Amino acid sequence: GAGVSQSPRYKVAKRGQDVALRCDPISGHVSLFWYQQALGQGPEFLTYFQNEAQLDKSGLPSDRFFAERPEGSVSTLKIQRTQQEDSAVYLCASSSRGGSGELFFGSGTQLSVL
Amino acid sequence: QKEVEQDPGPLSVPEGAIVSLNCTYSNSAFQYFMWYRQYSRKGPELLMYTYSSGNKEDGRFTAQVDKSSKYISLFIRDSQPSDSATYLCAGNTNAGKSTFGDGTTLTVKP
Repeated sequence: GAGVSQSPRYKVAKRGQDVALRCDPISGHVSLFWYQQALGQGPEFLTYFQNEAQLDKSGLPSDRFFAERPEGSVSTLKIQRTQQEDSAVYLCASSSRGGSGELFFGSGTQLSVL
Repeated sequence: QKEVEQDPGPLSVPEGAIVSLNCTYSNSAFQYFMWYRQYSRKGPELLMYTYSSGNKEDGRFTAQVDKSSKYISLFIRDSQPSDSATYLCAGNTNAGKSTFGDGTTLTVKP
């Protein structure tokens, strides 16, 4: 595709629900990243894939957060038993340059947990 | 203390002004430095990508990196109302994750 595509664009969840956020990276980009952005703050790193391998998951806030990229293309970020503090914009980015920082971001999924 | 610090602003300038945006960082292992522009309700868009110290120019935008003082700058010449956005600086150690500042909000008034 022309750019990074994320769905849904908005998600409202009741506290305790599980949610799944999808990311379609730019075709051919081997690296895929998930970031969390709170209102008024910069993106915070969550996890990083190179192809299907999850190379770094040090930013995932708790074991309720899980990400996968089984075929090295589309990725899903899953949050189990959502809490109010999980409310944020979840950004996906892809890169052709591996881990050196040239990121192309999607528009994000805005998650609101009530 | 955050690894990358930015003055949040807001910064308001008249159209045509030269804008200077700045960041400081604390991680000596950063090798790559980026500036992103983020419009409301959109993802960040890469503006400038530089390796190590030095200057890089692209149209109206110039990025400067001084690794000795751990200082990153972005200059915008002939600023336009369409430049109104939040500007994010970031550093990367070439090990995957990029670390972002919290952004500076810029408004360019016609």
